[in-house]
Amino acid sequence: QVQLQESGPGQLKPSQTLSLTCTVSGVSISSGGYYWNWIRQHPGKGLEWIGYIYYSGNTYYNPSLKSRVTFSVDSSKNQFSLKLSSVTAADTALYYCARGNIVATHPDGFDIWGQGTMVTVSS
Amino acid sequence: DIVMTQSPRSLPVTPGEPASISCTSSQSLLHNNGYNYLDWYLQKPGQSPQLLIYLGSSRAPGVPGRFSGSGSGTDFTLKISSVEAEDVGVYYCMQTLQTPYSFGQGTKLEIK
Repeated sequence: QVQLQESGPGQLKPSQTLSLTCTVSGVSISSGGYYWNWIRQHPGKGLEWIGYIYYSGNTYYNPSLKSRVTFSVDSSKNQFSLKLSSVTAADTALYYCARGNIVATHPDGFDIWGQGTMVTVSS
Repeated sequence: DIVMTQSPRSLPVTPGEPASISCTSSQSLLHNNGYNYLDWYLQKPGQSPQLLIYLGSSRAPGVPGRFSGSGSGTDFTLKISSVEAEDVGVYYCMQTLQTPYSFGQGTKLEIK
């Protein structure tokens, strides 16, 4: 059974760097046919796609966050990670990681999601 | 960027009745490989989103047959043939044809 589990600090102060990790179990992050995503949800709001990373290290960042976000993958630990710099209260959100499927050589939907980790930015 | 627009935003439904949600994209989601890269998700209260429909009309594994997706190009519809109490939550459409991927604003289904 494939599972994703986010982990992170829970709370941090403005201007700090947020670091989150998604641990994948039940499938190798290096196996073909998948890509790995970060999505966030502000309290009471809709879903915002942050970006993706492939096991090869290929990344795409949503332009809305591109200047502050970095993804990485650690195949030896079967994990991928997010770093978001210079956080503000506007980054307070529930952060999800999710597996995306490649269909007909093109990225498609997210079939497995983590449970989400709440991040609060407050002084 | 592709903008996704859902309607209605709120959908009260009597159990056993059908329900329909519309999703319109600002650009066609039809890839030159013939697939529409449009997915539907349901976020039940207090849970992570779950994939219901991918490629516009394919049901994800384990999704009940009362859910169906249709449409092509810029206009898509999610239908529930007979709503059950467990179907409450917020439904989102999402496109992955073009980066940045984008979600609709969500449609909240509630039971009357």
